[in-house]
Amino acid sequence: QVQLQESGPGLVKPSETLSLTCAVSGYSISSGYYWGWIRQPPGKGLEWIGSIYHSGSTYYNPSLKSRVTISVDTSKNQFSLKLSSVTAADTAVYYCARQIEMATIPVHFDYWGQGTLVTVSS
Amino acid sequence: QSALTQPASVSGSPGQSITISCTGTSSDVGGYNYVSWYQQHPGKAPKLMIYDVSNRPSGVSNRFSGSKSGNTASLTISGLQAEDEADYYCSSYTSSSTLRVFGGGTKLTVL
Repeated sequence: QVQLQESGPGLVKPSETLSLTCAVSGYSISSGYYWGWIRQPPGKGLEWIGSIYHSGSTYYNPSLKSRVTISVDTSKNQFSLKLSSVTAADTAVYYCARQIEMATIPVHFDYWGQGTLVTVSS
Repeated sequence: QSALTQPASVSGSPGQSITISCTGTSSDVGGYNYVSWYQQHPGKAPKLMIYDVSNRPSGVSNRFSGSKSGNTASLTISGLQAEDEADYYCSSYTSSSTLRVFGGGTKLTVL
């Protein structure tokens, strides 16, 4: 059974960098698939942040691209998110998820982490 | 404003059927068969219910079905049960630089 678990600080100061890690168990990241980050502001809908292919290729939401970096560490079977210059608008529950690939296109998310709330506040 | 348009809320009585619509454009819903639907209970992570327009993952009840016509995808839940009360989100691949878009979500209330 594939399981994902997010970890990282629950509180980040404005203008600083948000850093989260997603540990994957039950499947080797290096074997395939995309691995993505999605966020959900309190009381609002889902927003795709970006995804990384097992080989390291990345795809980012253009609205966040200038501030986002997603990386993968196959030796630890985990992938990470960094979001720089955060503001209160970045306060959200952040989810990591496995993303299925169809003909090289990243499509749906089949396994999700439980999510972690990150609050941006001084 | 979300890229895909869903009704804010729908409701139905136990045993009835309801349909949630998801309207996009020819660049996303209408152009590709990569529409998926997610169920989210309060405080929980989203759960994949339908993928590739009409396919159900293993373990998802056959009371859930998906379809698409033109730029609008639909999720139908038949034989409504109390446990179906949740938020539902559609999502699609898009040929725009965004790559992946979500709908704004629909709150399903089982009366």
